[in-house]
Amino acid sequence: NAGVTQTPKFQVLKTGQSMTLQCAQDMNHEYMSWYRQDPGMGLRLIHYSVGAGITDQGEVPNGYNVSRSTTEDFPLRLLSAAPSQTSVYFCASSYQVDNYEQYFGPGTRLTVT
Amino acid sequence: KQEVTQIPAALSVPEGENLVLNCSFTDSAIYNLQWFRQDPGKGLTSLLLIQSSQREQTSGRLNASLDKSSGRSTLYIAASQPGDSATYLCAVLNFGNEKLTFGTGTRLTIIP
Repeated sequence: NAGVTQTPKFQVLKTGQSMTLQCAQDMNHEYMSWYRQDPGMGLRLIHYSVGAGITDQGEVPNGYNVSRSTTEDFPLRLLSAAPSQTSVYFCASSYQVDNYEQYFGPGTRLTVT
Repeated sequence: KQEVTQIPAALSVPEGENLVLNCSFTDSAIYNLQWFRQDPGKGLTSLLLIQSSQREQTSGRLNASLDKSSGRSTLYIAASQPGDSATYLCAVLNFGNEKLTFGTGTRLTIIP
């Protein structure tokens, strides 16, 4: 199993540009989520999904969209990048949301200038 | 709103010592608590998952305890090694929603 994979590893965007961060898992996990990690703020939940076709907002959803058309993939879209979105983004998955370990991808480091 | 605190933010200990990392949370209505390790520039690696009905979990030199009523968890590392140097994060999953709440972590340095 490849586990949770994320692409790209690094990205630089200009303010106003849009892009999609990719996340995929090959463990047949129902639950997937996106976090951002900022110094002094810890990890904060952006969006999550409890299964294909179902998504919901986390703590900091503004400026981001998600969709879950398949069990394997959970892309995160930045609609119009802002410097405040400079961060490290992590995707995670687990078999189900409750009482199962969360597995994290290696992260995408995004810089918005 | 659940709040998770980890104190201290940083800790340095000589190699070979046993040590304890602390995690506290404000809302005891949780499904589980999970301890993670994060190496610089890397993702998170799950270390131990304690379900709300459990008091502790062990994996090798690691032992995690959970006292739900007092809102506390500890991660005990025995016979520390330089390879244990990393940031350790705890996270809780609350009843009623599907969201993990993370602490800000303890950065551990093991001095050879």
